[in-house]
Amino acid sequence: DAGVIQSPRHEVTEMGQEVTLRCKPISGHNSLFWYRQTMMRGLELLIYFNNNVPIDDSGMPEDRFSAKMPNASFSTLKIQPSEPRDSAVYFCASSLVWGRTGGYTFGSGTRLTVV
Amino acid sequence: ILNVEQSPQSLHVQEGDSTNFTCSFPSSNFYALHWYRWETAKSPEALFVMTLNGDEKKKGRISATLNTKEGYSYLYIKGSQPEDSATYLCGFFGNEKLTFGTGTRLTIIP
Repeated sequence: DAGVIQSPRHEVTEMGQEVTLRCKPISGHNSLFWYRQTMMRGLELLIYFNNNVPIDDSGMPEDRFSAKMPNASFSTLKIQPSEPRDSAVYFCASSLVWGRTGGYTFGSGTRLTVV
Repeated sequence: ILNVEQSPQSLHVQEGDSTNFTCSFPSSNFYALHWYRWETAKSPEALFVMTLNGDEKKKGRISATLNTKEGYSYLYIKGSQPEDSATYLCGFFGNEKLTFGTGTRLTIIP
């Protein structure tokens, strides 16, 4: 298995532009999570899906952030418009059993820089 | 806001020495406690998931214990090696979410 695949690895964009981050979870995993890593807050949960359905998006910082999971093998996190304070590493993770008994498998992350 | 605290924040250990660090978490609404190893420029990798009070897990030289009644877990590394240098994250799974601490950054001195 190739693991959780995220793209792009790095993204540099100008303030105000739309940014789309992509994630392909491990086949067969039914839970998908988007986390953001910052120096101030560490790894914080933004949103998670179970069986493609968004369960909790209370961690999404603002309406500028949105996430979708149109099918079991693909999810996107979109920021529109982007701002410099959105600069961070965004991780996608997937899990077979939601975290109750199994660990999460993380992707390599997307390092986003908004200038 | 859920308080998942790890101590110490950073630690330098001589190669060959053993070490341990702590994760504190709420004792209510507990479902599971995760430990991850996170090397620089890589992504976190799961070490253990523990669910029962008194659980002990072991993987090679690394082991972990769990006390859900008092809300803490210890991670132990026996005979530290340079490849153990990483940040060790714990995550509290409760209320259907996995909330991470800020990690303990471990550096092994050769």
